[in-house]
Amino acid sequence: EVQLVQSGAEVKKPGESLKISCKGSGYSFSNYWIGWVRQMPGKGLEWMGIIYPGDSDTRYSPSFQGQVTISADKSVSTAYLQWSSLKASDTAMYYCARRDSISSGGSYYYGLDVWGQGTTVTVSS
Amino acid sequence: EIVLTQSPGTLSLSPGERATLSCRASQSVSSSYLAWYQQKPGQAPRLLIYGASRRATGIPDRFGGSGSGTDFTLTISRLEPEDFAMYYCQQCGSSLSGTFGPGTKVDIK
Repeated sequence: EVQLVQSGAEVKKPGESLKISCKGSGYSFSNYWIGWVRQMPGKGLEWMGIIYPGDSDTRYSPSFQGQVTISADKSVSTAYLQWSSLKASDTAMYYCARRDSISSGGSYYYGLDVWGQGTTVTVSS
Repeated sequence: EIVLTQSPGTLSLSPGERATLSCRASQSVSSSYLAWYQQKPGQAPRLLIYGASRRATGIPDRFGGSGSGTDFTLTISRLEPEDFAMYYCQQCGSSLSGTFGPGTKVDIK
């Protein structure tokens, strides 16, 4: 079974650092882009960025560039999202998701086909 | 950066009715990169449609996607009780961007 399993809920204080994880299994982890998505309480989905574990090529949404760091370790099939100094406004659910490309009729089509269960991050003094 | 707008914000319908959800892009999006997701409370999103019109694995055929350029539509032909949820469109860009629309809530009338 193809799945992404995320690390557990975190409660942190402002200014603390944090690294959450997303472990893939059931497929060749190195060969699929992994994206990160934020969902603040009661709000919609926000695209944060994406990484290719095979070579760690990483792209950030302009809104999140410089605010977080996305990384991956293909040897353990795990992607990471980290903060160096958390703020209360980082309180949210964070999802990782696999970006798949499906070939059909000579063309490719794209979507986030496998999602992690989400990691809740609460930042409060 | 491409901005996606979804309408309506909320759609109040009864089971058995047809739902039509709109997603409009601020600039042209290749159909290959337009996807739709369903999210229920307390759950991760689920891929419904990719490539604007292709159903993901296991998605019932009452879900259909269409559109091109800047205007895309998700249609649910006959609403089942389990279809009442939030729906998001996303452009999974060629530059690996991934902007989501703000979502449409389909709730029970």
